[in-house]
Amino acid sequence: DVKVTQSSRYLVKRTGEKVFLECVQDMDHENMFWYRQDPGLGLRLIYFSYDVKMKEKGDIPEGYSVSREKKERFSLILESASTNQTSMYLCASSSNLIGNSPLHFGNGTRLTVT
Amino acid sequence: DQQVKQNSPSLSVQEGRISILNCDYTNSMFDYFLWYKKYPAEGPTFLISISSIKDKNEDGRFTVFLNKSAKHLSLHIVPSQPGDSAVYFCAVPRGKLTFGQGTILTVHP
Repeated sequence: DVKVTQSSRYLVKRTGEKVFLECVQDMDHENMFWYRQDPGLGLRLIYFSYDVKMKEKGDIPEGYSVSREKKERFSLILESASTNQTSMYLCASSSNLIGNSPLHFGNGTRLTVT
Repeated sequence: DQQVKQNSPSLSVQEGRISILNCDYTNSMFDYFLWYKKYPAEGPTFLISISSIKDKNEDGRFTVFLNKSAKHLSLHIVPSQPGDSAVYFCAVPRGKLTFGQGTILTVHP
């Protein structure tokens, strides 16, 4: 069965800290994505990657960076966390970048920045 | 610019009745649409999709209708069950998947 695993369910960090969110998929998918979910705003794409060491900006990349050193792992980095980055972060993978193939999501990481 | 809009933040329905969730889009070139369902503390899961060559797609209790002239799609759940209570997102592939704001569905026993 398809599995996307996010390493932390809940994180609490202080303003200015560097934060790493980790995501691993076991489906050998080429494509991986980071979204954030906020009430009233839906799911917004931060970054995605279509291959190892490749990355593309999504709709809201400011304040974030990503790393894809291995096919199965996609990391989201908050260089200097701010309170407006308090959110639910969702990692996903798919075999099809165009989007007709459904995304498989992890269970999310609830990040609170104080 | 919100290319996919779900204008109803929430919907409350009695068990056994029909739930209708709506979604509007701006670009008539969109040719494929998906619905995802999300429970609290879980990631979204794919529910149903429709291609623009169809105006209806059905899967059990879930049916999606597409009105291309109105740039509108809707998800019908019949009969609604308490386990259907979740957030529902419509989405379109736009290079990558773009989601609407979501509608919180609550089905009361």
